Amino acid sequence: SQQGEEDPQALSIQEGENATMNCSYKTSINNLQWYRQNSGRGLVHLILIRSNEREKHSGRLRVTLDTSKKSSSLLITASRAADTASYFCATSSNAGGTSYGKLTFGQGTILTVHP
Amino acid sequence: DAGVIQSPRHEVTEMGQEVTLRCKPISGHNSLFWYRQTMMRGLELLIYFNNNVPIDDSGMPEDRFSAKMPNASFSTLKIQPSEPRDSAVYFCASSRGMGGQGDEKLFFGSGTQLSVL
Repeated sequence: SQQGEEDPQALSIQEGENATMNCSYKTSINNLQWYRQNSGRGLVHLILIRSNEREKHSGRLRVTLDTSKKSSSLLITASRAADTASYFCATSSNAGGTSYGKLTFGQGTILTVHP
Repeated sequence: DAGVIQSPRHEVTEMGQEVTLRCKPISGHNSLFWYRQTMMRGLELLIYFNNNVPIDDSGMPEDRFSAKMPNASFSTLKIQPSEPRDSAVYFCASSRGMGGQGDEKLFFGSGTQLSVL
């Protein structure tokens, strides 16, 4: 299976509620990133957390990383209809001792926020 | 900043035809990536360039696929001959570079929706 697998595959909530998405990965990483994709558009970077960090905040976003469990979570607080999109985690790892910017993406979580 | 620019936005072609997708990365970025997105396989990295040099092309599915980056401001992905199973959205992305840690965030273009009939 792919490095970076999101859970759940789809999430439907009401505006104002919090949305939590999870990501699991298999190999050691340099960092983990979350991206958002609106329908028919390219991906947009949201937040990056390094392997030596445990939690990071950006506006209404909160990301946690647990390297012992090889997992991360993305929390969107006080969701809005405009948050409706697909959310992907992506991992950057050292492959074969070479450090470079290769990102491996998961399958994504489709978030629907109802007004 | 105009962002990563891809063309065409949509491409419809017949099986066997040559397809060329184009990408202009963000000025000053020295890493460029080509990804393919399908419902079945998600986002797949096809090839990655750093300073115009191909670093990793292990994701290129077959010899029918080729990519070039003749200079820092332009890259092409060519499929010849095209097949219906090549139908997908092809994204180009760029980043400032490896930075020694491989942790630079990617900036994506809007993609090319390719349909091979």
